Amino acid sequence: EIVLTQSPATLSLSPGDRATLSCRASQSLSNTYFAWYQQKTGQSPRLLIYGASKRAAGIPDRFSGSGSGTDFTLTISRLESEDFAVYYCLQYVTSPYSFGQGTNVEI
Amino acid sequence: QLLESGGGLVQPGGSLRLSCAASGFTFSSYGMYWVRQGPGKGLEWVSAISPSGTQSDLADSAKGRFTMSRDNSRNTLYLEMNNLRVDDTAIYYCAKGGSSGYYFLNNYFDPWGPGTLVTVSS
Repeated sequence: EIVLTQSPATLSLSPGDRATLSCRASQSLSNTYFAWYQQKTGQSPRLLIYGASKRAAGIPDRFSGSGSGTDFTLTISRLESEDFAVYYCLQYVTSPYSFGQGTNVEI
Repeated sequence: QLLESGGGLVQPGGSLRLSCAASGFTFSSYGMYWVRQGPGKGLEWVSAISPSGTQSDLADSAKGRFTMSRDNSRNTLYLEMNNLRVDDTAIYYCAKGGSSGYYFLNNYFDPWGPGTLVTVSS
């Protein structure tokens, strides 16, 4: 089973700041079957990035994904008020699928 | 669109059947998934099923107790849950595979339904 570890657990920033979220896999992902989700309180998760770096439909270009192997990064170039939420990474290389434990981006 | 139903309060050892009604896409072309989230916790994948319904996979926590199925004629996904435990308490989300061209066990989840709450308690 692949374990994903996200860091930091909490990121305290201000609107306009740059946010860098990390996700490390316990073993190398042979394909870029890796995604990022945003979840706001009381809502279901929303896909931001798939294939490690491809933005989902309708996602603003301030969100970008990068990485390969065991280290993946989600970058939000300039935080807007609606970006404060919990972010999860997901690997879909192999069953069982696994999520990271989440990074809370707070004001 | 995806809309889950069937959640509720059940005693430990009891059973529930969750449904997920799909619309707005060709249901039979996509793998489908169940993901759950315990109160105040992160996301946990539960199960996956191929577009035809002939193949499925379950997380270890669900094996032997949960069964996933689909009815492509009704555009509906199901999760039959037996021998429920307190730690099965969660919001259960159904999700669609992000691409019809991917093998169902190598697909991301997009979109997700609003979820249905399952509470297991005596």
